[in-house]
Amino acid sequence: QVQLQASGSGLVKPSETLSLTCSVSGGSISSYYWSWIRQPPGKGLEWIGYIYSGGTSNYNPSLKSRVTLSVDMSKNQFSLKLTSMTAADTAVYYCAKHLTVGYNSVGLDSWGQGTLVTVSS
Amino acid sequence: IQLTQSPSSLSASVGDRVTITCRASQAISNSLAWYQQKPGKAPRFLIYGASTLQPGVPSRFSGSRSGTDFTLTISSLQPEDFATYYCQQLNSYPLTFGGGTEVEIK
Repeated sequence: QVQLQASGSGLVKPSETLSLTCSVSGGSISSYYWSWIRQPPGKGLEWIGYIYSGGTSNYNPSLKSRVTLSVDMSKNQFSLKLTSMTAADTAVYYCAKHLTVGYNSVGLDSWGQGTLVTVSS
Repeated sequence: IQLTQSPSSLSASVGDRVTITCRASQAISNSLAWYQQKPGKAPRFLIYGASTLQPGVPSRFSGSRSGTDFTLTISSLQPEDFATYYCQQLNSYPLTFGGGTEVEIK
């Protein structure tokens, strides 16, 4: 089972850009889909987007204009950038690995520990 | 695709049989997963394909489907099962989650 560890800025000012990185250990980032999910304090889960190790990505339309996902195969990492942050973006951000059966994603079987991002001046 | 979970919370005792429902707003085949989340922790992947248990998940957990209605059942609630449960659809993007069901101790 791979291990995921998210890191990055925990405090972001309004209008600035959030940058988070998820480091993958215990396995290769290659040939898997990787997602970011967030959870505002006391609320439910929201899927942000995925990136495939080959670089293909798919974003939640609700965030698409502000999100960029990327992957660095040499470092076994993938990253999230979210621009124009507001208080509504305050949340715990998780990175996760997709479990695929055949060509289909069937769930998120490994998760990082989550990192709290607070948007405040 | 919207997922509506019910109830949003429930109180139960150790040993009780617990059932949580997730209704999809349109057909999603069997493309539904269930997760368990405890306070301050990342979600834990329990079930995929509506009814297939992840390795290591106790057999008291089970999932089923009837049309666009999906059910997570815990046959005999254990102390470590008190948590919030989420369903997720993976039939189409964007992936979406249900609102969650909090299982509390009675």
